[in-house]
Amino acid sequence: GAVVSQHPSRVICKSGTSVKIECRSLDFQATTMFWYRQFPKQSLMLMATSNEGSKATYEQGVEKDKFLINHASLTLSTLTVTSAHPEDSSFYICSAAGSQPTGESTFGSGTRLTVV
Amino acid sequence: GESVGLHLPTLSVQEGDNSIINCAYSNSASDYFIWYKQESGKGPQFIIDIRSNMDKRQGQRVTVLLNKTVKHLSLQIAATQPGDSAVYFCAESPNQAGTALIFGKGTTLSVSS
Repeated sequence: GAVVSQHPSRVICKSGTSVKIECRSLDFQATTMFWYRQFPKQSLMLMATSNEGSKATYEQGVEKDKFLINHASLTLSTLTVTSAHPEDSSFYICSAAGSQPTGESTFGSGTRLTVV
Repeated sequence: GESVGLHLPTLSVQEGDNSIINCAYSNSASDYFIWYKQESGKGPQFIIDIRSNMDKRQGQRVTVLLNKTVKHLSLQIAATQPGDSAVYFCAESPNQAGTALIFGKGTTLSVSS
């Protein structure tokens, strides 16, 4: 089946630094990738949608200059958290949709970001 | 706004019992529904899905029921096992390519031996 690889699984960074998270579709072409954020004991909240070769579409309240998304190829999307602060500490999850029928997405394993 | 929600935040069952996890959705335009299982520190794992032209779909030990009249979705797990302990989310999607899933709040299922 479709596999999405997300790295790193855990990262600890200092306040003010930037962190890059990668999301790769291993055996299919992901025309659309989604980035979610999940705080403890809460649901997944969509941050942004990116289509290959286009600028990402951000959800209301998500700062596009802080959460930089690049989807330069059909198999790779990256999320960069710039100038990270402790409140950015969260679980970040990507999902990818390709040629599957509407709505079907495959999720990555998530990245636990801790900003100290 | 429109959202998908679950009725109970937690559910505790004994091993071998059948579990039923419920979800109410509000977007009548949603065409596709999925149940996910999420274990601690991991991404969501697909369990089963159903499209709006169906009212029931069965998998291995799991059944999803869809009642469009009352906008209700449920996940039934037969002979629940300790390995089924996790958080379960329902998610919905409108009939539009490239649209993200909307997740409900999640139900934590605890299975005791």
